[in-house]
Amino acid sequence: GENVEQHPSTLSVQEGDSAVIKCTYSDSASNYFPWYKQELGKGPQLIIDIRSNVGEKKDQRIAVTLNKTAKHFSLHITETQPEDSAVYFCATPLVGNEKLTFGTGTRLTIIP
Amino acid sequence: EPEVTQTPSHQVTQMGQEVILRCVPISNHLYFYWYRQILGQKVEFLVSFYNNEISEKSEIFDDQFSVERPDGSNFTLKIRSTKLEDSAMYFCASGRTSGGGGANVLTFGAGSRLTVL
Repeated sequence: GENVEQHPSTLSVQEGDSAVIKCTYSDSASNYFPWYKQELGKGPQLIIDIRSNVGEKKDQRIAVTLNKTAKHFSLHITETQPEDSAVYFCATPLVGNEKLTFGTGTRLTIIP
Repeated sequence: EPEVTQTPSHQVTQMGQEVILRCVPISNHLYFYWYRQILGQKVEFLVSFYNNEISEKSEIFDDQFSVERPDGSNFTLKIRSTKLEDSAMYFCASGRTSGGGGANVLTFGAGSRLTVL
């Protein structure tokens, strides 16, 4: 069945250090891999995405890497800042359809 | 920057009552979605809507749920007879295109918190 697994569920990182969150997916046909950031009381906001024709994409302190063979993709945040504290969700469309299936979320806490 | 707006931000209702949640998607978007998030859990797909009809729905989206785009701008989610377990944040999202291979870049609203007593 459709499945997107996300690890870790919680992550605490010292300010300035890097954070990495990983997602694995089950459908080898998936071709779009976004990451969403959800701050308290708000909706998910797209922060970065990658398509299956590239292995890595970077936007300032945020990067996403994709390993299609292993069916996993990761979010990398470097030089973390307090405002990076939030819940992060990976997502991907599974089973060849339009909808996004979300991972279980990672609560990232940046320790000042 | 264009945004998806949702009303109300919070609604409290009695079990068995009908609730309508409203969304105004981004104006040039063609794909519309409702997602649900129970407190502390992941975001779950409810339904997608394209070309004035439901294109896909999850098993959560049973006969108590319906969606409508009555006037070409609003997109509504109706729950006919609310249950305690319907308490959650409901997010509307919209997407402009299907993208290559069927992927959609979605913009989410801030959500409507539904509390069923």
